[in-house]
Amino acid sequence: GQQVMQIPQYQHVQEGEDFTTYCNSSTTLSNIQWYKQRPGGHPVFLIQLVKSGEVKKQKRLTFQFGEAKKNSSLHITATQTTDVGTYFCAGPGDRDDKIIFGKGTRLHILP
Amino acid sequence: KAGVTQTPRYLIKTRGQQVTLSCSPISGHRSVSWYQQTPGQGLQFLFEYFSETQRNKGNFPGRFSGRQFSNSRSEMNVSTLELGDSALYLCASSAAELDSTGNTIYFGEGSWLTVV
Repeated sequence: GQQVMQIPQYQHVQEGEDFTTYCNSSTTLSNIQWYKQRPGGHPVFLIQLVKSGEVKKQKRLTFQFGEAKKNSSLHITATQTTDVGTYFCAGPGDRDDKIIFGKGTRLHILP
Repeated sequence: KAGVTQTPRYLIKTRGQQVTLSCSPISGHRSVSWYQQTPGQGLQFLFEYFSETQRNKGNFPGRFSGRQFSNSRSEMNVSTLELGDSALYLCASSAAELDSTGNTIYFGEGSWLTVV
């Protein structure tokens, strides 16, 4: 069945360093979404990408959607302690699953 | 405006019991979807309701069910609880159906269920 995979599973960075998480789907996606979940919190919608090759920026966050619409990345420049959390990608599922989430990348910031 | 509200926030049940969780979506939102989050399986889609109709159901047994009322509030029920049902159950609401382009999904804070 359809799979959405994220790497890495965990990432420890020094504050001020950059961070990137990658998302790969086994099938072409009509769109891809990114969410952030703080420890003990709930997922919060960050962005949706729709177009092939699309790049969107939100302050220090840069989101890319691959040309084949099967992969995506989230890059954070100069991480801050407020960036701590788990970042999930998600895309429309096939068959019964209306939406499929990656397992997430947990970002830990070292002071 | 008020966000997505889920009740109860925390509950403990014993094996074999049943549980009902409630979700009040953002005012005006017609889509309510439910998810199970566990450390092992991650975030998994349970089902979506739109205008009181179940649109899709994920790969979960029939013990998991739900419904949506005319005011868009939704409940999910898990019968004959098993230890493996211990999880964070999240509800989300959106204005349009879940897979609509341009649709933003808002999650509630979740209900933590522990089955002992």
